[in-house]
Amino acid sequence: GAGVSQSPSNKVTEKGKDVELRCDPISGHTALYWYRQSLGQGLEFLIYFQGNSAPDKSGLPSDRFSAERTGGSVSTLTIQRTQQEDSAVYLCASSPGAANSNQPQHFGDGTRLSIL
Amino acid sequence: KQEVTQIPAALSVPEGENLVLNCSFTDSAIYNLQWFRQDPGKGLTSLLLIQSSQREQTSGRLNASLDKSSGRSTLYIAASQPGDSATYLCAVKGGSEKLVFGKGTKLTVNP
Repeated sequence: GAGVSQSPSNKVTEKGKDVELRCDPISGHTALYWYRQSLGQGLEFLIYFQGNSAPDKSGLPSDRFSAERTGGSVSTLTIQRTQQEDSAVYLCASSPGAANSNQPQHFGDGTRLSIL
Repeated sequence: KQEVTQIPAALSVPEGENLVLNCSFTDSAIYNLQWFRQDPGKGLTSLLLIQSSQREQTSGRLNASLDKSSGRSTLYIAASQPGDSATYLCAVKGGSEKLVFGKGTKLTVNP
């Protein structure tokens, strides 16, 4: 079956613009995660959804970052008033299980975001 | 705060060698540990997941071990091949749902 799908694969935008990144998880996966991978920082957790709820938003770096998930499926990560330090690869993952399950997380190929 | 360290940061070996990648974590109260592979420009591919109650997991030429009390895991790759060249990431899951990642080991297997 299809894996986790992310779009766009690449995004270049000017500082100050808003961007939306989309994640389509594996069908039937109830858990969805956003991570950010930047040079020198490694992979950092941003937010976790269980269904349409986000019980853990602790990794969002500022109030310019928000995310939503609708219908227990597609999720959108929005960055407002982008800054150069937002340049990174944004990765989405999904897993089938409820909280505290031992199911592995399956990752998409990411969106490479470049802020000019 | 959980911290994950991977040593070495980079490793270059000739084809056919057996090799070990190391991962250590500071908080032993983990739920599971996962090893991933990342090819350039791609996302992460899950290789092995070890639950906290397990000592090791095997898949083909890969074997991952976990010593929770000492905060260590190793990924053993047997008979390495050029196609094994990638960055290998270790990640732990603690009391929350998020994974905490190390910075990875970049492996190059030379023909």
